[in-house]
Amino acid sequence: EPEVTQTPSHQVTQMGQEVILRCVPISNHLYFYWYRQILGQKVEFLVSFYNNEISEKSEIFDDQFSVERPDGSNFTLKIRSTKLEDSAMYFCASSGVYSNQPQHFGDGTRLSIL
Amino acid sequence: AQKITQTQPGMFVQEKEAVTLDCTYDTSDPSYGLFWYKQPSSGEMIFLIYQGSYDQQNATEGRYSLNFQKARKSANLVISASQLGDSAMYFCAMREYGREKLTFGTGTRLTIIP
Repeated sequence: EPEVTQTPSHQVTQMGQEVILRCVPISNHLYFYWYRQILGQKVEFLVSFYNNEISEKSEIFDDQFSVERPDGSNFTLKIRSTKLEDSAMYFCASSGVYSNQPQHFGDGTRLSIL
Repeated sequence: AQKITQTQPGMFVQEKEAVTLDCTYDTSDPSYGLFWYKQPSSGEMIFLIYQGSYDQQNATEGRYSLNFQKARKSANLVISASQLGDSAMYFCAMREYGREKLTFGTGTRLTIIP
C-alpha cells in the first residue's frame, strides 16, 4: 500500500538555525499538508498546499515557515530561524482532491531544538 | 469555529471487550467529515474510519464502527473485540468541506488489559 515517507525521523538543531523537513507524498495525491504535535498535546494544522501554492494556513504558520515542492515528488517544510518552542513532531500528510478522502500521514519527524 | 471534544483522557478495557471512545464536535457548516486516527506509542498516525455529514448509515471498517448522532453532534468510535494491539492514542478529527485543514481533539489513550 502506498505511503507517505518523511525524512529524517529525528532532527536535532541549534536554536536560530534553519531546518528543512522532507516528505514524499503518495504519488497520485494532489493535496499536501504539514501538521505538528508538541509532546503530549493535540495535532495542530500548519499549512495545506495544492497546485504549487498554499491553499490554507493557520496562525502558527508565520513568516519563519515556508513550504515548497521542489520537484515532482518531494514536499518540504522550512523553518528559517528555529526557536525552542518549535520542538515538536512534524507530520506530513497527503490526500486526494475530494473532501471525503482521508489525509494519510507519514511517520513524522521529531524536531528537537537545543 | 470548528471544535472537537474528547472527554476521556484515558480508558482501560479488558481484552476482547468492546470499547466506545467519545467524540463531540461543533461546527456551523452543514457539510463536513469526521475522521478517527490511531497513534501507537511509535508515533505514526493511522487513519481508521470516516463519516460524512450526509451519510445515512454509520460507517464500519472491520472491527471499527462509528456511532454517528448528527443531532447530538457526536461521532463515537466503537472498537469491537478489543486486542492488545489496540492500545494507543485515538484522535477524532473534523474537516469542514471547502477547507483543507483537519481539526483534532485532544485524544483518548486506550489501554487494553490482558
